[in-house]
Amino acid sequence: QPVLTQSSSASASLGSSVKLTCTLSSGHSSYIIAWHQQQPGKAPRYLMKLEGSGSYNKGSGVPDRFSGSSSGADRYLTISNLQSEDEADYHCETWDSHTQVFGGGTKLTVL
Amino acid sequence: EVQLVESGGGLVQPGGSLRLSCGASGFTFSRYWMSWVRQAPGKGLEWVAKIKQDGSAKYYVDSVKGRFTISRDNPKNSLYLQMNSLRAEDTAMYYCGRGSGSDYFETSDYWGQGTLVTVSS
Repeated sequence: QPVLTQSSSASASLGSSVKLTCTLSSGHSSYIIAWHQQQPGKAPRYLMKLEGSGSYNKGSGVPDRFSGSSSGADRYLTISNLQSEDEADYHCETWDSHTQVFGGGTKLTVL
Repeated sequence: EVQLVESGGGLVQPGGSLRLSCGASGFTFSRYWMSWVRQAPGKGLEWVAKIKQDGSAKYYVDSVKGRFTISRDNPKNSLYLQMNSLRAEDTAMYYCGRGSGSDYFETSDYWGQGTLVTVSS
């Protein structure tokens, strides 16, 4: 089954942009993933589904500042014009017919 | 508005049992895969189980196979997780999620607020 690798932490300044990475394990580079945001003390929130082609589908109410892209086995989440409320954990997830797999999550700090 | 509300969490002794419930509203429950995902304190998300629209297919993470059972009652718009032989490592916040995709579960496009399960003597 696939394994997802994320950096444990990232930081960027208020108003700037940040690009978070989720890497699929060898042999799974074509997999679709999803990104979820989890603000401190809250439940996760679905952000988007992201294909290997770079095409993505965002969830209801997700701001335009959030976008996705792909390159090989890497799946990216870019947040533009960072706001204080974007400080959160970001989890990527993939799946096959029998299982779901989450990455370890990236803690984003907005400076 | 899609809503998922979990209940049933609490403190239980090792070896004990607990039944979690997830009430759904705002969508046609019987048309969606559903899942349970947990998060141990200070840790990442871990998928636990998922169930097909009609309950005919169920899948589990290896660590809960034989101990946990996922089920659903479509007329009652409810999802359940029966947890037996609980261990300290099952301590976590448990979230239910609505599945995107129709032929198989893709991802949770809506999440509940979670219910906390603590396994301790």
